Amino acid sequence: AQSVTQPDIHITVSEGASLELRCNYSYGATPYLFWYVQSPGQGLQLLLKYFSGDTLVQGIKGFEAEFKRSQSSFNLRKPSVHWSDAAEYFCAVGNTGFQKLVFGTGTRLLVSP
Amino acid sequence: NAGVTQTPKFRVLKTGQSMTLLCAQDMNHEYMYWYRQDPGMGLRLIHYSVGEGTTAKGEVPDGYNVSRLKKQNFLLGLESAAPSQTSVYFCASSLGQGAWETQYFGPGTRLLVL
Repeated sequence: AQSVTQPDIHITVSEGASLELRCNYSYGATPYLFWYVQSPGQGLQLLLKYFSGDTLVQGIKGFEAEFKRSQSSFNLRKPSVHWSDAAEYFCAVGNTGFQKLVFGTGTRLLVSP
Repeated sequence: NAGVTQTPKFRVLKTGQSMTLLCAQDMNHEYMYWYRQDPGMGLRLIHYSVGEGTTAKGEVPDGYNVSRLKKQNFLLGLESAAPSQTSVYFCASSLGQGAWETQYFGPGTRLLVL
């Protein structure tokens, strides 16, 4: 069965600094990978997704993620963090059959002035 | 276009009480899902529906029932609430069944069972 690991529970980044959130997955075939963001008191919003093609994926709000099959990773990056990026970020993997997403436990991003 | 809406936003129940959470979507999506979110555990799928009149069990279905009588609505019921069901519940919908499809989430219902 597929699984997702987000090893960092909390991360604090200074405003304007770069960001990388880690995600490792376990899945036998080619995975379908997603990053969602949850702002306080809100539902989840899709940032980006990967299922084939270019391994560097661009998303909304200036985020990007890189799929590395050899490392079973799909890390999320942003070159310059804004205070409004403070939120919880979830990595998820979908199977090739019916779309039942498996979510990681999330990483909470804090942005310091 | 409201997207996915959930009713109520917050509810407190006593152990043994019942309640129904309502999810509505106006995007004409076929697929709908109910998740629960607990600290340190991410989101876990409770039940899902692949179309009007259909339902199926997800990862953690025990203690919950669902119904999809209309395409736009997906109801989650708790017949006899337990403290272990204290959680934040999210509804989501997607247009198709492919693994690449985007799921659209509602704002959540926070449930406290005393």
